[in-house]
Parts: sequence; C-alpha cells; structure tokens
Amino acid sequence: DSGVTQTPKHLITATGQRVTLRCSPRSGDLSVYWYQQSLDQGLQFLIQYYNGEERAKGNILERFSAQQFPDLHSELNLSSLELGDSALYFCASSVDLRANYNEQFFGPGTRLTVL
Amino acid sequence: AQTVTQSQPEMSVQEAETVTLSCTYDTSENNYYLFWYKQPPSRQMILVIRQEAYKQQNATENRFSVNFQKAAKSFSLKISDSQLGDTAMYFCACLGSVGETSGSRLTFGEGTQLTVNP
Repeated sequence: DSGVTQTPKHLITATGQRVTLRCSPRSGDLSVYWYQQSLDQGLQFLIQYYNGEERAKGNILERFSAQQFPDLHSELNLSSLELGDSALYFCASSVDLRANYNEQFFGPGTRLTVL
Repeated sequence: AQTVTQSQPEMSVQEAETVTLSCTYDTSENNYYLFWYKQPPSRQMILVIRQEAYKQQNATENRFSVNFQKAAKSFSLKISDSQLGDTAMYFCACLGSVGETSGSRLTFGEGTQLTVNP
C-alpha cells in the first residue's frame, strides 16, 4: 500500500458526461500528479499540483481540469467525455515539487469506461 | 523534452533464470533520475529500482539490478533468479524538470510485458 488513495475504483459513464476523480496523497506529501494510461497512448503525464498551485502541465486536454484543495487532496474533472477518454487514471504524490530525487508514489488508479 | 524507449514489447524467461529488459532515453537535463516500475495484473504501479544520473555506480535491489550507461543513454534492468511473481508489465521512466516553475514529471516508455514460465 503506497498510502495514496483514489476514488472511485471504477467508473462507467456515457459520452458527453462529466466525471470527477478524487485523490488523497500520502500524509506529508505536498505534490500531486495525474497520469493517464490508455491502450493507444500509454502512460502519459497530465498535470502536477504543489500545495494548491499548478506547477507543471503535460498532455492534458482542454476538456480536463484539476485542482488541489487546502487539505491537499486533488480532483481531476473530465467533461464532454468521449470514447477515447476510457483509460486508467493514476494519481501519484511526492514530498517536493522538484525533480531532484523526488520519488512519486502511485495510487491504485481509477478505471474510467466511457460507453 | 524527454523521451523513453523500450524496444521489447514482450519477453519471457524460465523460472530461476536471468532476464534483461532494455531501455534507452533522451533528455537535455544534466540532473535527472531513472526508474523501473512494475505493473502486475492488479494494475498497481510498483517502484522496482531507482538510479540517480549523477551516480556512476549501478543500483541494486535484491534480485534486481541496472546497467546504467550514461553516455549511451541506456538503462537496462536485470532480474536474477526470476520468480513467477515477477510476471508483470515493466516500465522504464525518466524523472525530469518541467519548465521554469520547477515542476517535475515522469516520462514513461511503452512497457515490456515479462512472463516468467514455470
């Protein structure tokens, strides 16, 4: 158990809908990352938050947004869902925001299925 | 920008034997970190081993070791005495900085599916 929790574990929804994925980082970790794992795109970095502020952005679609709250949990919002958004979404956390030996601990993931 | 390439989509090995998974990477950073993650059928991402780029000594964790060739930008994983529980997808990843905000990100390779046969 990495100490990172994600809810829900599974989510099934229809095209055009909006969903929210939730992540609680390890105790003491200030940085949260979101990654998407899909069959055609592999594992891709989406976005990083540190202590409530956005710090790095990857291949995140405009239909997707995220935020980190004062209690450090984070939410990833996916809207106008398309079939291609079906994927496993991972949250990871780390103590620091920088790359200097900053190990990321992964949650169990949320499997999103868009029908 | 960083890229990570794993050229072996699938590999298999007999139980108790040794197998090596290949990975090459490219980065413009001077200070970066390399990792191997394991993803078993449960889909959990599990850190196997890490290597700091500024360290010349290859990292070792029990049956897992790496061959880090910095000039060649190569980072291979050797699994000794393979066990059935080693069956999983293995991802090579590079941790680097992002832009001027001092953020960071992991860049992953495509993965190698390793099957350990009894």
